[in-house]
Amino acid sequence: DIQMTQSPSSLSASVGDRVTITCQASQDISNSLNWYQQKPGKAPKLLIYDASNLETGVPSRFSGSGFGTDFTFTISSLQPEDIATYYCQQYDNLPLTFGGGTKVEIK
Amino acid sequence: QVQLQESGPGLVKPSETLSLTCTISGDSVTSANYYWSWIRQPPGKGLEWIGYIYYSGSTNYNPSLKSRVTMSVDTSKKQFSLKLSSVTAADTAVYYCARSPYSSFKVLWFDPWGQGTLVTVSS
Repeated sequence: DIQMTQSPSSLSASVGDRVTITCQASQDISNSLNWYQQKPGKAPKLLIYDASNLETGVPSRFSGSGFGTDFTFTISSLQPEDIATYYCQQYDNLPLTFGGGTKVEIK
Repeated sequence: QVQLQESGPGLVKPSETLSLTCTISGDSVTSANYYWSWIRQPPGKGLEWIGYIYYSGSTNYNPSLKSRVTMSVDTSKKQFSLKLSSVTAADTAVYYCARSPYSSFKVLWFDPWGQGTLVTVSS
């Protein structure tokens, strides 16, 4: 199985701050990586697919980058509605696997 | 707009079989470019892919659950289903269904998701 390691597991930032989350794959997955946002009590929502493509309707303050084993998810200016847990997910190999999640809170 | 809705018992006894159904609206379970997936999330924990099914009946399951999982599809009812046998407390989780696009021999991502249903395993 491909292990997906996310860091940090949680962070606290102020409104307007730039927030960065990393996801490292245990082997090369090309650009086969997606990012999801899960708000409390809700289902996850796809934000970024193929490492860097923004899903339709997702605000442009969200972005993703990376290739191979190292990936980054960025919120350019944190907003109160961005409070959530964010997960990466690889689809290069079965079984499909997720990172452990990063909980983002407002300072 | 595609919507998915999970349904099934919220409480299952240990050693019994968990059975859930996902009903699709706004799309067809026979859509050529989509697989239909199940994912679960234990309370306070992360996400685990359970498996997916194509309308033809072709399936792929997570090896960690493969011996206990069965998925099926009912094209007439626009539904697909999950059965997980011999459950224990470790199977207590919110279970989600989701649509998964397929390209270049790979299932890609999960979008959209159902709202999820909590299944508790307890006597």
